[in-house]
Formats: sequence, C-alpha cells, structure tokens
Amino acid sequence: QVHLVESGGGVVQLGRSLRLSCAASGFSFNTYGMHWVRQAPGKGLEWVAVISYNGRNKYYADSVKGRFTISRDNSKKTLFLQMSSLRADDTAVYFCAKDLGADHYFDSWGQGTLVTVS
Amino acid sequence: DIQMTQSPSTLSASVGDRVTITCRASQSITNWLAWYQQKPGKVPKLLIYWTSTLGSGVPSRFSGSGSGTEFTLTISSLQPDDFATYYCQQYNLYPLTFGGGTKVEIK
Repeated sequence: QVHLVESGGGVVQLGRSLRLSCAASGFSFNTYGMHWVRQAPGKGLEWVAVISYNGRNKYYADSVKGRFTISRDNSKKTLFLQMSSLRADDTAVYFCAKDLGADHYFDSWGQGTLVTVS
Repeated sequence: DIQMTQSPSTLSASVGDRVTITCRASQSITNWLAWYQQKPGKVPKLLIYWTSTLGSGVPSRFSGSGSGTEFTLTISSLQPDDFATYYCQQYNLYPLTFGGGTKVEIK
C-alpha cells in the first residue's frame, strides 16, 4: 500500500527558507515521478513542481520558479522541496503526490504539511 | 499555460439528484483529464482519469465524458457521501493545472 508522509512544515518569516520532505513507502519509489501540490487555506489545488523518476527532469509552476527546488533521494525513498524567498502567498498545505509514470495525474497523496509564512 | 474553468463553482442538490459538473480547457487537452473529490480537511481522492476511466474503488454512479476542451463529471444519483468539492486537472502539458473547484452542497 502506497504511503506518503510529508514533514518540515511550520511557521516561517517572510523571505526565509524552508525544506519539506516526503517519505515514501509501499511502492517502487525510483519508478515514478513525484509532485508537490499545494492548497492555500480555503482555496483550490495548485500544482507546484514535478521531478522525474530519476531526478533528471524537473518542472515548476511559474509562481515558484526560481525560488523552489524539487529533488529526490531514491536510496532513501524521499522527496524534497526546498523553498526560499518565501512570500505570504506561499502559505498553504503542501501535499506530495505520486503519478502514474507516463501519466501525470495523482493516484496517491500524502496527508500534507502546513506552511505558514508571516 | 492551459487554463481550466469549472462550472458551477457551487451546486446545491438533494440526495438522489443527477448532478453534472463541467470543466473547460483553454486549449485542447485531448483526453488527458482527471477528476478528484475532496472533503473538508481531507486529501483529494482520484475519481476519474483519462476523461472517463474510474479510479480504484470509485462507485459506478460517477462517470466522466468529453474530449478536446469540454468535459463533464456526472453523478447519476447523489449520495450523502458525495457532498464534497470536485476538481478537474489537465495533464496534457506542463504546468499541470486544476480547475477552481465545484462545491456540491446539500439543498
């Protein structure tokens, strides 16, 4: 059974940095692309970034490009999101999500970790 | 970027009603569309992918249709467990984009 557990959220000051982690289990982590999706309080879903199964390909939403960096450690089955120059509108629950390999929709999600920028 | 527009944003319905939610893409996404259900405080759940393929364990009262730029999610007979917010998502091109959501409320 796929299990994704995010950590690293919290309250951070404007302009500072934060690193999120997502520990994966129950599937072949090094076979699937992994994503970060966020949801601001009371708002809809916003895709943030993706990293390919081998870490070679990465894409970002325009809203985070140049400030956020997605990475992964396949040996530790862990996904990361390094967030810098944080803004108030980055306040959200951040979910990690697994895609289907060739198809980039999300069949498994973590519970999310809340990032509050103030 | 491909913009996804859902309508309505809120829908009031009764148990047993047939409910239809529309998702419109700003350019053709062929059939690269998924639907999710999210309940308050919960994680989104995959309902449908490839426009019309039901996710694992999803009841058959849910169905999806469309192609190109116009898509629909239909619930044939609304059940108490279906009151939630529904999102469409295109995965034709990066950046991936979601619709704004449709909240299905009890009438």
